[in-house]
Amino acid sequence: NAGVTQTPKFQVLKTGQSMTLQCAQDMNHEYMSWYRQDPGMGLRLIHYSVGAGITDQGEVPNGYNVSRSTTEDFPLRLLSAAPSQTSVYFCASRYTSGLSNNEQFFGPGTRLTVL
Amino acid sequence: AQKITQTQPGMFVQEKEAVTLDCTYDTSDQSYGLFWYKQPSSGEMIFLIYQGSYDEQNATEGRYSLNFQKARKSANLVISASQLGDSAMYFCAMREGYNQGGKLIFGQGTELSVKP
Repeated sequence: NAGVTQTPKFQVLKTGQSMTLQCAQDMNHEYMSWYRQDPGMGLRLIHYSVGAGITDQGEVPNGYNVSRSTTEDFPLRLLSAAPSQTSVYFCASRYTSGLSNNEQFFGPGTRLTVL
Repeated sequence: AQKITQTQPGMFVQEKEAVTLDCTYDTSDQSYGLFWYKQPSSGEMIFLIYQGSYDEQNATEGRYSLNFQKARKSANLVISASQLGDSAMYFCAMREGYNQGGKLIFGQGTELSVKP
């Protein structure tokens, strides 16, 4: 299993540009989510999905869009990049059935800089 | 709304000593889960330990144990016999509800440095 994969690893954008961060998992996990990590603020939830066709907002959704057309993929779209979106982005996934202590698996992260 | 607070931005511990990382939480749910993750300087997130709100005993995983005090809403991580490789960021997280689709919310993190 490849686990949770994210592309690209690094990206530099100019203000106003749009882009999509890709996330895929091969573990057949129902739940997928996106976080951003900024110094001193921990990981903040952007959007999450409990299954294909179902998405919901997290703590900091503004400026980001998501969709979940398949179980495997959960792309994050930046519509018009702003310097405040400079961050490290993590995708994560887990099962929603079975044991209550279902571990959430994380991708390696994407480091995004917006100039 | 659920909230996780880690009040120690940075901690130092001598190698081979024990250290406690603090975590308090706020929730109105009776059913919830508490998690600890480790993030070394390489950046990956590593799951350490889990405690369910209905678990009567404190969770343990090797050198990690979770000091769960439900009435005080605290879930402190105890690392025994610290090693140099324990130097990392540590995050406490909470998932509300028994519905496994609940959001996982993180605290701000504690940076642990182990001194030789």
